[in-house]
Amino acid sequence: GENVEQHPSTLSVQEGDSAVIKCTYSDSASNYFPWYKQELGKRPQLIIDIRSNVGEKKDQRIAVTLNKTAKHFSLHITETQPEDSAVYFCAAGSNDYKLSFGAGTTVTVRA
Amino acid sequence: KAGVTQTPRYLIKTRGQQVTLSCSPISGHRSVSWYQQTPGQGLQFLFEYFSETQRNKGNFPGRFSGRQFSNSRSEMNVSTLELGDSALYLCASSSVTFSGRLETQYFGPGTRLLVL
Repeated sequence: GENVEQHPSTLSVQEGDSAVIKCTYSDSASNYFPWYKQELGKRPQLIIDIRSNVGEKKDQRIAVTLNKTAKHFSLHITETQPEDSAVYFCAAGSNDYKLSFGAGTTVTVRA
Repeated sequence: KAGVTQTPRYLIKTRGQQVTLSCSPISGHRSVSWYQQTPGQGLQFLFEYFSETQRNKGNFPGRFSGRQFSNSRSEMNVSTLELGDSALYLCASSSVTFSGRLETQYFGPGTRLLVL
């Protein structure tokens, strides 16, 4: 089955700096890669996703890149703000109706 | 539209008991997935249902089961509870395209289960 590894497990950045989280996946059939943000005590919420026919996608301060050959994808957050502090999860899925999640990255933005 | 709802929100059980959790998807969503979330483990896929049929199942023992009703509401059941079953159980609903590709999953608030 699919195995998704996520690094780093914790990330502390100064407000205004950029944050990068990297994930690798094992199943070459995976074609859908969402990123979720989960604030303390809240439900996970989708922040951005990318499909395998696209190499990069951007939404304001958030961008995701995908390298299918190397089987890795990354989340980039620019100009970080205190409200970006949360746990971020990457996931990978194919047409088998299953999403496999990474273990999560706890991001802390220092004011 | 109303979001995904889950009941109950909190539950305390003792070892050996069984528990049933409920999930109501967003109106019009016919796919419901269940996940177990524990500290440091991320979200572990339990199963996915569409039109009352289980289409995929994760690597969990047979004590974990689920079902979906004709109105797309779903339940999951855990029998013979163990201490290690303590976790946040999340369900997520999504729309389904005719091509079968994965669409955005919207999560419910979860049911926090504590097994004593």
